[in-house]
Amino acid sequence: DGGITQSPKYLFRKEGQNVTLSCEQNLNHDAMYWYRQDPGQGLRLIYYSQIVNDFQKGDIAEGYSVSREKKESFPLTVTSAQKNPTAFYLCASSPGGQSDTQYFGPGTRLTVL
Amino acid sequence: GQQLNQSPQSMFIQEGEDVSMNCTSSSIFNTWLWYKQDPGEGPVLLIALYKAGELTSNGRLTAQFGITRKDSFLNISASIPSDVGIYFCAEGGTSYGKLTFGQGTILTVHP
Repeated sequence: DGGITQSPKYLFRKEGQNVTLSCEQNLNHDAMYWYRQDPGQGLRLIYYSQIVNDFQKGDIAEGYSVSREKKESFPLTVTSAQKNPTAFYLCASSPGGQSDTQYFGPGTRLTVL
Repeated sequence: GQQLNQSPQSMFIQEGEDVSMNCTSSSIFNTWLWYKQDPGEGPVLLIALYKAGELTSNGRLTAQFGITRKDSFLNISASIPSDVGIYFCAEGGTSYGKLTFGQGTILTVHP
């Protein structure tokens, strides 16, 4: 089946620890995105990548880092510098080029204790 | 920066009723997308609109891209309990694949 997978679904970490969220897609999409969603809120863009080995900061990149070494993978690291990391994290991908349409993964809920 | 206003913020309706929600923007865009998000899940694309004036249906859902290119609406006819969720509009077409999302409309359907 083609799609976007995020793992794990639920993640718990102690304060001060870095944590990496996985995002994989087998849709052969060029572009990938990471969003953060807080309760009752819309989606805020953290980082995005339009091509392998290239990525740009979104609106709330502070305290986060990403890599794009392979077309199908776009992992997000939540560092200890992120002051309020507990949130629902969503990964998305799109074909890129002329297409804006983004397709989302199931999300990872991160809780920092 | 870009501003996208989605309304209403929430709706409480009876099963069988029709629903309408809309988004307006301060800028002109080339793409309007409508997503639905179930609790604890990722948003799912419902309808994509790419041309001003375009009217598109997907089952009981109908969406239109406003002629001014600054607004869009989504209608749901004959609502059912599984329509419950958060509906987001998103606009794009101007910034290298980036989308701007509305704040969402929370829909509750009473049986």
